[in-house]
Amino acid sequence: SQKIEQNSEALNIQEGKTATLTCNYTNYSPAYLQWYRQDPGRGPVFLLLIRENEKEKRKERLKVTFDTTLKQSLFHITASQPADSATYLCASYGNAGNMLTFGGGTRLMVKP
Amino acid sequence: NAGVTQTPKFRVLKTGQSMTLLCAQDMNHEYMYWYRQDPGMGLRLIHYSVGEGTTAKGEVPDGYNVSRLKKQNFLLGLESAAPSQTSVYFCASSVDSGGNQPQHFGDGTRLSIL
Repeated sequence: SQKIEQNSEALNIQEGKTATLTCNYTNYSPAYLQWYRQDPGRGPVFLLLIRENEKEKRKERLKVTFDTTLKQSLFHITASQPADSATYLCASYGNAGNMLTFGGGTRLMVKP
Repeated sequence: NAGVTQTPKFRVLKTGQSMTLLCAQDMNHEYMYWYRQDPGMGLRLIHYSVGEGTTAKGEVPDGYNVSRLKKQNFLLGLESAAPSQTSVYFCASSVDSGGNQPQHFGDGTRLSIL
């Protein structure tokens, strides 16, 4: 079955460092991968989208990569700040194309 | 810019009671979705709608019904609430269902079934 998975363990890093979160998918080949941010008590907020033919996408301090060989997307936050602390979700449409499937999310904690 | 608005924000029900969760969007989006989010399970799609008057089942539809009588509103109903339906429910909308279309989420309804 199609799966999209993220590391369920929280990632703790020091302010100013680069945070790297991983999203792996199996048994399908998504044309796009999306990344969302979710703060406690709030709904997910869309951040970035990357297409399968794009190796990298940037938006301010955010960078997303898409490796179709490794079946993996990496989400980077450079010069991280305590305000970046949140849960980050990756998502994609499966082969059926009608449902966006989410990974379980990775909680990021940036310590001052 | 209200975006996606969900009501109520919190609710406590007793087993067997019924209730309706309301979702309203002001972005003129065709597609609307209901998800539930549980610890360790992530977001799971309950039902979705591709336009006014249409609905379809998602990954976990049992025990829920939906209606989309108006384009801007998507209602989620629990006819006979069960403790297993204790969860945080999120509504979302999008212009289209393609993988290049982001979804816009409300801030959720926290529902407890006793």
